[in-house]
Amino acid sequence: DIQMTQSPSSLSASIGDRVTVTCRASQSISNYLNWYQQKPGQAPKFLIYAASTLQTGVPSRFTGSGSGTDFTLSISSLQPEDSAIYYCQQSYKIPYTFGQGTKLEI
Amino acid sequence: EVQLVESGGGLVQPGGSLRLSCAASGFSFNTYWMHWVRQDPGKGLVWVSRIKGDGSGILYADSVKGRFTISRDNAKNILYLQMNSLRAEDTAVYYCIRDPDYGGKSYFENWGQGTLVTVSS
Repeated sequence: DIQMTQSPSSLSASIGDRVTVTCRASQSISNYLNWYQQKPGQAPKFLIYAASTLQTGVPSRFTGSGSGTDFTLSISSLQPEDSAIYYCQQSYKIPYTFGQGTKLEI
Repeated sequence: EVQLVESGGGLVQPGGSLRLSCAASGFSFNTYWMHWVRQDPGKGLVWVSRIKGDGSGILYADSVKGRFTISRDNAKNILYLQMNSLRAEDTAVYYCIRDPDYGGKSYFENWGQGTLVTVSS
């Protein structure tokens, strides 16, 4: 199975800051990398697919990048509603696997 | 509007069975891959199974292979997950997910609200 490792596991930031979450795959996955946001008591919400393509309706302050084994999710100009857990997920090979999550507190 | 509504969760004893259902609406159900993903309480996300729009392409995680069966009724727009020989480690919230598989890239675009399965004596 492809292992996905996120860092950091948690971070704290302030409104207006820019933060970056890193996701590393245990083998090359090209750009088969997706990002999700989960708030307490809710199902995950889809943010980005193919490493960098933003889902319709997701604010442009969210950006994704990377290819191969190393990927990043950046959030600029943090807003209070960005407090959540962020997960990366590879769709290169079954079984699809997720990172362990990064908890962002604002 | 895409809607996915899961049902069928509950408390079951180890070794027991449950069948989860996911009622889909707001899109052409028979043209989409569908998946089940579970989330252990307070923990991360684990992919469980997938099925193609025409009912083919079925695959399972090793942890549920031989015990769980995914299926779909395209006439009723319902996705199912039959879970047999349940174990304590199957305790989780189970999500039904729509996957557009756009450009050959799979992603979990729409999620249901989840249904909780608790396996305990």
